[in-house]
Amino acid sequence: DARVTQTPRHKVTEMGQEVTMRCQPILGHNTVFWYRQTMMQGLELLAYFRNRAPLDDSGMPKDRFSAEMPDATLATLKIQPSEPRDSAVYFCASGDQSGTVSYEQYFGPGTRLTVT
Amino acid sequence: AQKVTQAQTEISVVEKEDVTLDCVYETRDTTYYLFWYKQPPSGELVFLIRRNSFDEQNEISGRYSWNFQKSTSSFNFTITASQVVDSAVYFCALSGGPGLYNQGGKLIFGQGTELSVKP
Repeated sequence: DARVTQTPRHKVTEMGQEVTMRCQPILGHNTVFWYRQTMMQGLELLAYFRNRAPLDDSGMPKDRFSAEMPDATLATLKIQPSEPRDSAVYFCASGDQSGTVSYEQYFGPGTRLTVT
Repeated sequence: AQKVTQAQTEISVVEKEDVTLDCVYETRDTTYYLFWYKQPPSGELVFLIRRNSFDEQNEISGRYSWNFQKSTSSFNFTITASQVVDSAVYFCALSGGPGLYNQGGKLIFGQGTELSVKP
């Protein structure tokens, strides 16, 4: 049963520290998404990649967030420096967006980030 | 602009009752996709169903059924004979068409409906 994996599952850090979250998408999926969930904003897209190329990162605060996909089995989301308002659950999802069809996305368990 | 509205913030029912979760969407795309996801108390997001804009057939899967109506831009979800295990937050989501550069696929989520099923 293929699943998206995310590490760490929980992270507590102090303001100003660097945070790196990792995601392993389902093998064979060509699109990887990063979403953030907060009580106030709900679920919102931060960035996504297709065939490892970034397609849209307009949802990310550019000055402190960066997303990369160094290879097909790893996506990373980095926050530097972190701030208390970044506290949220960060989800990675992967899907197979073949041609012009949008298929379902499968979500990882999330990384719960707390910035104090 | 694309938007998904789930007007019901919280719903509480007693076990075995039927319950319908409403979802209304806005999009200018002619090709689009609609989804429902379940988020149980454990926090993960579980895919339930995907529909494309050209397929208005209703779908039934066990106790779950979905009613897609383009005329009212709605994609409602009904749970028949609800059970305590159905307690969760349910999200409706919209994905636009591929776009000029095949950049489609990102999900626009509604705010979610928290369903509580009491024994």
